Amino acid sequence: QSALTQPPSASGSPGQSVTISCTGTSSDVGAYVYVSWYQQHPGKAPKLLIFEVSKRPSGVPDRFSGSKSGYTASLTVSGLQSEDEADYFCSSYAGGNTFVFGTGTKVTVL
Amino acid sequence: QVQLQESGPTLVKPSETLSLTCTVSVYSINYFWGWIRQPPGKGLEWIVSRYYSGTIFYNPSLESRVSISADTSKNLFSVSLTSVTAADTAIYYCARGNSDWYVFDIWGRGTLVTVSS
Repeated sequence: QSALTQPPSASGSPGQSVTISCTGTSSDVGAYVYVSWYQQHPGKAPKLLIFEVSKRPSGVPDRFSGSKSGYTASLTVSGLQSEDEADYFCSSYAGGNTFVFGTGTKVTVL
Repeated sequence: QVQLQESGPTLVKPSETLSLTCTVSVYSINYFWGWIRQPPGKGLEWIVSRYYSGTIFYNPSLESRVSISADTSKNLFSVSLTSVTAADTAIYYCARGNSDWYVFDIWGRGTLVTVSS
């Protein structure tokens, strides 16, 4: 069970869009729709942003969107705002009631 | 809104056992409950999950050292990790799992546990 691969960093100017990738294998991302994304501000607990690849919990702005193709899932943040500066982690169900998380991406708003 | 709060020692000596408790405002039968950790400056690692029924699922890499239990009458569940080393230094989070979405939807604020002599 290896961690999902994310780029260490991503950045964009206010109002722009940024997309973060999350690459797994045929045993996790490639096998299930249960891919989720979390936002984590410094010193805070992770907050669920996206579940089941592209669904948003109540209260999450529609600026956050998710997708998946093959073994790679993606999170897009549109209309970047200063408060979007945070770490983002993906996660996938890996079968047998097990889970794997991504390596994390630090998003900087320029 | 459901709230979770981790508690336990913040410093554990190498080779000893790390034990943490998560107190939940509403310990519901409709969810599973788990522990996730995050070494300082690093990514998240799922440790273990427990369903209300008592069924438990482990991260294979930690299974030999991890145990989880619950006291539903007190709305809490606990984790123990034996034979700790410096590599087990991390922020430990408890979280509620949603079995419809296979996701951890509510998290505690986390507690930093340092393994050091």
